[in-house]
Formats: sequence, structure tokens, C-alpha cells
Amino acid sequence: DTEVTQTPKHLVMGMTNKKSLKCEQHMGHRAMYWYKQKAKKPPELMFVYSYEKLSINESVPSRFSPECPNSSLLNLHLHALQPEDSALYLCASSHLAGVSYEQYFGPGTRLTVT
Amino acid sequence: QQPVQSPQAVILREGEDAVINCSSSKALYSVHWYRQKHGEAPVFLMILLKGGEQKGHEKISASFNEKKQQSSLYLTASQLSYSGTYFCGTVSREGSQGNLIFGKGTKLSVKP
Repeated sequence: DTEVTQTPKHLVMGMTNKKSLKCEQHMGHRAMYWYKQKAKKPPELMFVYSYEKLSINESVPSRFSPECPNSSLLNLHLHALQPEDSALYLCASSHLAGVSYEQYFGPGTRLTVT
Repeated sequence: QQPVQSPQAVILREGEDAVINCSSSKALYSVHWYRQKHGEAPVFLMILLKGGEQKGHEKISASFNEKKQQSSLYLTASQLSYSGTYFCGTVSREGSQGNLIFGKGTKLSVKP
């Protein structure tokens, strides 16, 4: 099973709302990632978790809060977002966090902030 | 620092070949190639590692010039299914946790 699932597929939220994005993989991978992708742009790395510990935080605003409850799950908690945060949020996983491991991406959550 | 991809876009007829290039100003540990179709997730194609090791799909070929920090993806006998945006992702010496920095992408359109 080489699948990464993400829920919800679409999310519309106001600037005062609190919501969460969920990601799950059952490939036994020990590294998981959050990316943000704006239209016609490449994915931009937000966070890297390795063995359920946050190892990279690419200077992301605190209104984005990641959580890795276990090796299969990754959440992204959203609070007080801005309209410019509207984007496709992609989750990915890899066997380990290292230079030689391919990443498997989920289908993404398309977020609209109103 | 973001790698530079060229060309930005290319249009092919079925059966034609194409080369997509990726270059970086930083020394690299590895170069990763992904394809993303409209509205879908990026899909892994190939990894090229410093030292010559490669892994990826059998029908995809690529090269990595470590001296020039350049990689090329070769698409031969293109099929309609090859259409999509191709991204290279680079891992520099400082990025040992596999944090990919993607280029802006090359949009490939294959027409019948």
C-alpha cells in the first residue's frame, strides 16, 4: 500500500476559525512532511517530522501548528489564518528523513480562507 | 536556494523526445524528480545521488553532473500520459534531513 491519505479534500474557513488538516500513511515510514503549494508554483516545505519529532520548521508562522501523534498520523492545526494562506496543503512521507529517500505525496487539502 | 529549471514549458507530439534541465548554485547531495498532473499529487520519478547511485522508474532516465551541480531528465518516445509539470527537488549539503527545495517546474504538454 503506497498511499498517503489526507482529509478533508476541501476546506473553507474564516479568519477567526480553528480547523485541522489530517494526514495518514500505512507504509511504515518514519518521516512525514507538510508542504504548501500555491497555484502554478512548486511545493514549499513547511515542516519535517522524523520519528514523530519535529526536525525542520521552515520559519512558518505560528498560526500553523503541526502535530505528529504517532508514526502514521500527521496533523496541521490552523488558527487565525489570513487570506494569503489559501493554498493546496500537501502531506508526504518517506521511509526515513534523508537525502536518498523518495517522498510519497497525498492528494492534498485545498484550503480557502475567507 | 531554489534550483533553476529549463525550459519553463515544452510542447511535444507523441513519440518525440524532450530534455528537462535543473541546475543549482549550491553543492548537492541529491536531485529528486517528480511529475504533477493538474489537480493531483506530485508523483516520484527518480532520485540521483552524489556518487552516481540512482533509483526510480525503469522507463525514466536522468543524469547528474556533480561538478556542475546540474541534472537532466530525459523523456523519450513521449506518450500522452507524460503530460504534466515536472519538478526537480534538490537537497544541499546543509539539508541532510531530506528537505527538498523544488524548482519552479517545467510544464510538458504532449499532443496526439
